[in-house]
Amino acid sequence: ETGVTQSPTHLIKTRGQQVTLRCSSQSGHNTVSWYQQALGQGPQFIFQYYREEENGRGNFPPRFSGLQFPNYSSELNVNALELDDSALYLCASSLQGTGNTIYFGEGSWLTVV
Amino acid sequence: AQRVTQPEKLLSVFKGAPVELKCNYSYSGSPELFWYVQYSRQRLQLLLRHISRESIKGFTADLNKGETSFHLKKPFAQEEDSAMYYCALRPTGAGSYQLTFGKGTKLSVIP
Repeated sequence: ETGVTQSPTHLIKTRGQQVTLRCSSQSGHNTVSWYQQALGQGPQFIFQYYREEENGRGNFPPRFSGLQFPNYSSELNVNALELDDSALYLCASSLQGTGNTIYFGEGSWLTVV
Repeated sequence: AQRVTQPEKLLSVFKGAPVELKCNYSYSGSPELFWYVQYSRQRLQLLLRHISRESIKGFTADLNKGETSFHLKKPFAQEEDSAMYYCALRPTGAGSYQLTFGKGTKLSVIP
């Protein structure tokens, strides 16, 4: 059991709305990252947080934002939802540094209608 | 920029047959390569990584820097190997912790 938990597991939103997804990192992990996995695609890196600051970002617009809290839990916020935002959103945690394994949660399925 | 290519969307093999899932990558530096697996209704989990050079569940993968490949192999497929397999790359160096994934290959082992 990896210990990365995400909520909610499924949700449906309307285009233009805002959504917040939550993640609890595996105990002891100080780095959290978020990925978007569209149907039939591999996960795509959105951003990463370390010590409550964003320290890496993929090719996603600013309406995708995040937070990391002192207890290393995290949120992904998406504003002005678009139909193409429909996807599985994966949270992953690890210790900072190369060579450390990244562990994934089960994901949150977002459907935008 | 880095890129990972998995040329096969679906691979079907008979139980007991050898399996090879292909992965090619594009990266100018020296990357870390991984294989992740996702069984039905389960989370994405690490199968193996090139730096550990270990065999997990009978699978092995060798990094070929000349061909920029990291193919996943197993000599005898089992039904429980049926799953989605993703090859992933992570750059080495400070601040480079993001994984770049391929689109995945669905392995179906026929009884």
